[in-house]
Amino acid sequence: SAVISQKPSRDICQRGTSLTIQCQVDSQVTMMFWYRQQPGQSLTLIATANQGSEATYESGFVIDKFPISRPNLTFSTLTVSNLSPEDSSIYLCSVVDLVAKNIQYFGAGTRLSVL
Amino acid sequence: GDSVTQMEGPVTLSEEAFLTINCTYTATGYPSLFWYVQYPGEGLQLLLKATKADDKGSNKGFEATYRKETTSFHLEKGSVQVSDSAVYFCALSDPSGTYKYIFGTGTRLKVLA
Repeated sequence: SAVISQKPSRDICQRGTSLTIQCQVDSQVTMMFWYRQQPGQSLTLIATANQGSEATYESGFVIDKFPISRPNLTFSTLTVSNLSPEDSSIYLCSVVDLVAKNIQYFGAGTRLSVL
Repeated sequence: GDSVTQMEGPVTLSEEAFLTINCTYTATGYPSLFWYVQYPGEGLQLLLKATKADDKGSNKGFEATYRKETTSFHLEKGSVQVSDSAVYFCALSDPSGTYKYIFGTGTRLKVLA
C-alpha cells in the first residue's frame, strides 16, 4: 500500500492569510484527491488533483479558494486561501494505488484552526 | 445520485460486547464497498472491503458482507475492545470508474472497560 506523508499535521492561522498543505507519496499513483472534514462531520471531496493540468473541482469548491498543484505523480499541494473561521477543518489527501486499484489510501490529515 | 446511509452514533458498548454498525447504499451500478476507521487525531485507515455481491470483507475481527438484495454492508465484530474506540466510515466507490468515493456520515464507537 502507498505511504502518504502530509504536512503540516496542524496549524493555527489568522483570518485573511493562506495555508499550503503538502502531500507526498512514496510511489507513483494514478489519482490524488483532497478532502475536507469539518468538525464532527464526514469527508467532503474538494477536488481531484490532476498531474500536469488543472485540478477538477467538486460542486461548491472553486480554484480561487482552493488552488491545487500536482507537478508530478507523487506530490501535490492544496492551498486554502483567504482564511476565515469557517475554514477550520481537517484536510486530507488520498491516493489510488496503481496495483490495488479502487482503494484509496489516506494521509494523516492537516488540522487547521483559523482565528 | 449515489449515496451511503450510516447509522448515527455515538455507539457505546462494554468491552467484549457484540458490535453492529448498519450501512445501506444507493447506487446505479455495481460499486465496491468499504469500511474505514479513523482513530482520534489520525487519518482514515482501510478496515475492509468487498468488490461484488456476496463478498465478505474481514480484518482484525471485523466483518461485513456485500448484500446486493438489501443494498447493505453492515459492519460486525463479535467482541469489541477498548482499542476499537474510533469513528467508522462506510463508503462506496463510484461505479462509473472515477475512483471517487462517497462516504457515510461516520459512526463514533466508544468501548468502555
